[in-house]
Amino acid sequence: DAKTTQPTSMDCAEGRAANLPCNHSTISGNEYVYWYRQIHSQGPQYIIHGLKNNETNEMASLIITEDRKSSTLILPHATLRDTAVYYCIVTGGTSYGKLTFGQGTILTVHP
Amino acid sequence: SAVISQKPSRDICQRGTSLTIQCQVDSQVTMMFWYRQQPGQSLTLIATANQGSEATYESGFVIDKFPISRPNLTFSTLTVSNMSPEDSSIYLCSVVPGTEAFFGQGTRLTVV
Repeated sequence: DAKTTQPTSMDCAEGRAANLPCNHSTISGNEYVYWYRQIHSQGPQYIIHGLKNNETNEMASLIITEDRKSSTLILPHATLRDTAVYYCIVTGGTSYGKLTFGQGTILTVHP
Repeated sequence: SAVISQKPSRDICQRGTSLTIQCQVDSQVTMMFWYRQQPGQSLTLIATANQGSEATYESGFVIDKFPISRPNLTFSTLTVSNMSPEDSSIYLCSVVPGTEAFFGQGTRLTVV
């Protein structure tokens, strides 16, 4: 699986959009970009994934650049409960369950 | 989706002993995955458990230390053997019924 690079930490004000970047310059054509988050003392939670088109669900939006070398996870209206570690993971084929977690981005949402 | 139940949720164990962690899923799945999260660190995959065959271990993890059972399509156990304080971690199981992974809440193990 391709390696990902994320900022160590980010801050966001409650109610504002949180934009979390991820670089994955070695992504291959059949690999997807996945985002998970881990709230303190809980198991990771799936957020969203995409191949090359932008995706949106009830939790977030995922913007993938045209060359697929980077992506941005957008939480449109961050709340205090969104404070967590966010992991960007590239995986594909039959490897959906064998996930390689980097250090992720610690997102802190402030009142 | 999938709902995963892990037991125990936490335990404190003496060094040299073993602990068996159980993972129960509410639906049948082909593969189950076991991860370790050391204090302040990210998750690391230990092994993949398939029903009816031996588990497949990742580099740095061996069957003698982390034996795994997978008796059916909804259940798996991970044993942490001959524990030392370095084994103090959160152990999580995971399944992928479709294209997204679901995780249990983890077992927080402290070895003293």
